[in-house]
Parts: sequence; structure tokens; C-alpha cells
Amino acid sequence: GAVVSQHPSRVICKSGTSVKIECRSLDFQATTMFWYRQFPKQSLMLMATSNEGSKATYEQGVEKDKFLINHASLTLSTLTVTSAHPEDSSFYICSATPTSGELFFGEGSRLTVL
Amino acid sequence: DAKTTQPNSMESNEEEPVHLPCNHSTISGTDYIHWYRQLPSQGPEYVIHGLTSNVNNRMASLAIAEDRKSSTLILHRATLRDAAVYYCILGSDQTGANNLFFGTGTRLTVIP
Repeated sequence: GAVVSQHPSRVICKSGTSVKIECRSLDFQATTMFWYRQFPKQSLMLMATSNEGSKATYEQGVEKDKFLINHASLTLSTLTVTSAHPEDSSFYICSATPTSGELFFGEGSRLTVL
Repeated sequence: DAKTTQPNSMESNEEEPVHLPCNHSTISGTDYIHWYRQLPSQGPEYVIHGLTSNVNNRMASLAIAEDRKSSTLILHRATLRDAAVYYCILGSDQTGANNLFFGTGTRLTVIP
């Protein structure tokens, strides 16, 4: 089946630094990818919709200058957490769908900000 | 967004069938019912989806009430690998890519 891969799977950074997370669709092209955040014992929260070649659409309450999304190609979207703080520590998950079919999720990236 | 209501947790014995309920009383006529599950420390994975008729695939069956206000995910023989959080989600299209808002889900524990 279709595969969506995220990198890195785990990252630890110091407060104030920026972290980039990549999301790749390995065997299909995705004009749209989605980014979610999940805190421990909680459900996934949609952060933003990433559109290839255009600006991302952010959900209410998500700071677009804090969470920079770039979708430069049909197989890659990146999420950059800028000036990360401990409260940004979370499990970040991306998803993508081929032109038809179910939604495929990446393995997730666990960010820990010290 | 139409909401879904699921029990917080359920338990099942290994190799027995499991029926996971979901209520979606405000479902619209065009909403698809999607089920995803999330194993610990992993991204969610697709289980099944349907619109009006019951659906079967290699993972599970989906039984949809006639009025579509509820549905049940059926795992025919639970295994330890089925222990996960199961999410019932309403999506406006067949892929579920749009309007995929996750509720709290049902945490399924499988007892050996």
C-alpha cells in the first residue's frame, strides 16, 4: 500500500531553536498533505493543510509564523517549529492521500524541547 | 463539523469478536463514516469506511445503522496486535482527506 514517511522520528532540541520535520509520500504524488499534533493521552488535532505550490491553510489557534509549512514538491511537505519552547513538545503526524483512496499517515515525529 | 461519540475504553478477550460502537446523530447525508486506529507511538492507520451499506474488508467489518446515526466496527477475532485507539470519524468525501477531525476514540485492550 501507499506509504508516507516522516523524518526524524524523534528529535530533542534546546529551547529557542528551530526544528524541521519532513513528510514524504514515497509512492504517490500528493497535492495536499495534512499536519497534526498529538499531546500525550489526547487525540490528534489538525494543525494545517499543506498545499503544493501555495500557502498552507492553518486551523484556528495555530500560529502560522510559529509553525512554518512548505510544500515545495508533490512528494514532500515540511513543518518547521520555529523558536521551539517546552510547550511545543508533542507528537507531530502528517498524512497524505493519493488522488483517490484512503488517507495515509506517517509514523509520527516526537519532538522534545528542553 | 459533525461529531462522533465513542466509549473511552473497551476490553476484549483474545480471539473473541469485538464490537466498537460509534454514535453520529448529526451526520449529514453526504458524510462518509471512516474508522482509523492508532497503535502506541505510531501514526493512525486506515481500517475501513462506508456511506450507507455495510462494508467488509480483510481487517474488519463496518455495520451502519439504517438511519446512519450510529455505526459499529467489528473485529471478528481480536488479537493482541489489535490493541489500539480506534477513531470513528465523519468525512465529507470518500477519501476522508477533508474534514478529518479526530475525536477521543476508544482505547481497546485485548486480554490474552
